[in-house]
Amino acid sequence: NAGVMQNPRHLVRRRGQEARLRCSPMKGHSHVYWYRQLPEEGLKFMVYLQKENIIDESGMPKERFSAEFPKEGPSILRIQQVVRGDSAAYFCASSPGGGHNYEQYFGPGTRLTVT
Amino acid sequence: GNSVTQMEGPVTLSEEAFLTINCTYTATGYPSLFWYVQYPGEGLQLLLKATKADDKGSNKGFEATYRKETTSFHLEKGSVQVSDSAVYFCALSRGSGGYQKVTFGTGTKLQVIP
Repeated sequence: NAGVMQNPRHLVRRRGQEARLRCSPMKGHSHVYWYRQLPEEGLKFMVYLQKENIIDESGMPKERFSAEFPKEGPSILRIQQVVRGDSAAYFCASSPGGGHNYEQYFGPGTRLTVT
Repeated sequence: GNSVTQMEGPVTLSEEAFLTINCTYTATGYPSLFWYVQYPGEGLQLLLKATKADDKGSNKGFEATYRKETTSFHLEKGSVQVSDSAVYFCALSRGSGGYQKVTFGTGTKLQVIP
C-alpha cells in the first residue's frame, strides 16, 4: 500500500510564475490536508478538503492560493504569481476519515524555491 | 488559539545517552497530543500519541506522558541510537467541525553520534 505521494519533490519558480503542487492520498483516503512549513518554523495548517469539497481553508492566504481535490485525480495546491515569501516546504496529509480518532498520514513534501 | 512550544535544537547526544525533548502546549479543552518524527528526505511519521490526561504514549523505546497540570508532553528515550537521528515535532489536535486540526511545534533536530 503506497503512502501519500507528492510531486514534484522540488520546484523552482521565478517570481510571478505559477506553482502547482500535487498530492495523491493513500488508497481509500478521501480526506486531504495541506500544511506549509516556513524556514525555522513548524508546520502550519492551510486547508482541509474532502472529495470535491473544501471544508476548511482558514489557514490559506486569501489571495493567490487555491486548492482543489477533484473526484478523480490528485489534490492540487496552486499558487499564482509566486513571491519569495512563498518559498517553503508544503506537506500534504491524508486520512480515511475526518473524525478525532483518524491519524493523518504525511507525504514527503514539496520544497518550493522562488528565485 | 492553540499553540505548541518545544525546545530548540539541535540536540547532539552520544549513542546510548538519555534523551528528553521538552514540549508544552496551550489549548482550550482536552486536545490529543502527538509526537511526529521526520527522517531526512521523508514525510512526517506518527511516533506516539496520547488522547487524555495521564495517558502514556510509547513506541520504539520512546515515551511521553500527557500532563494536564503542567500542560506538557515531554518526549523521552532511555538509550538513543544513531538511527534515531531525525527531527521531532510535538503537536496537538482539537476537534473542529468533525475533524481534527493539528497544530505543530517548530521541531527539534536530534543528532546521535557513535
